[in-house]
Amino acid sequence: GENVEQHPSTLSVQEGDSAVIKCTYSDSASNYFPWYKQELGKRPQLIIDIRSNVGEKKDQRIAVTLNKTAKHFSLHITETQPEDSAVYFCAIRGFKTIFGAGTRLFVKA
Amino acid sequence: EAQVTQNPRYLITVTGKKLTVTCSQNMNHEYMSWYRQDPGLGLRQIYYSMNVEVTDKGDVPEGYKVSRKEKRNFPLILESPSPNQTSLYFCASSRGLTTYEQYFGPGTRLTVT
Repeated sequence: GENVEQHPSTLSVQEGDSAVIKCTYSDSASNYFPWYKQELGKRPQLIIDIRSNVGEKKDQRIAVTLNKTAKHFSLHITETQPEDSAVYFCAIRGFKTIFGAGTRLFVKA
Repeated sequence: EAQVTQNPRYLITVTGKKLTVTCSQNMNHEYMSWYRQDPGLGLRQIYYSMNVEVTDKGDVPEGYKVSRKEKRNFPLILESPSPNQTSLYFCASSRGLTTYEQYFGPGTRLTVT
C-alpha cells in the first residue's frame, strides 16, 4: 500500500541555522503535499502545502520543494528560532491521507 | 469562529465498554476524517467520509465504526474497546477531498484499561 518515509526522525540545529526534512512516497495518485507542525499537547497545524503542478513554494522562512518524478518532497526552514522547536509531519493526500512518522526538531538558542 | 470540536477530550474506560467520540465542524466541509496518533508512528487514518452517507476505510479501521448522517457530524464508535486502542484521536475536516487544507480538532486522549 501507500506509505511515506520521513527523515530524519530527530534533528537538532543551532539557532539561525537551516533545517531540512525530507519525505519520500510511493503513491503516484497523490496530488497534494502538506506539512504540519505539532507542538506538545496541541493539534497539528498546517504550515505550508504544495500541489502537484508546482515544484517549489515559499512562505517567509519556510519553503517546500516537490519532485514528482522522484516522488520526494522536502521542508526547508531557514534562520531557525527556538519557537520552531516542535514535531513536523509531512503527508500525502489522494483519497486517503498518509502521514510520515514525524521529525522532532530542536532549535538550540 | 470556524472550528472542529471533539468530545470528550479525555476518556478512561475499560475493555469492552462501548464508547463514542463525537466530532462536529461548523465550516460546511464535505470531507471529514478520523486519525489516531501513537508515538513514533505519526498519524494514521482510521476512516474518512467524502459526504453524507459516504464513508470509507483508512489504513487502520479494525475495531472502529463511523457514521455520517449529517454533514457537520462524524462520530467515531468503538463497539468493544481494547487496550491497543489506547491512543490520541484527532478528527479533521476539509472543504474538498484532495487539495484542500484539513482542519484538526483538539484531540481526544483515550485510555482503555
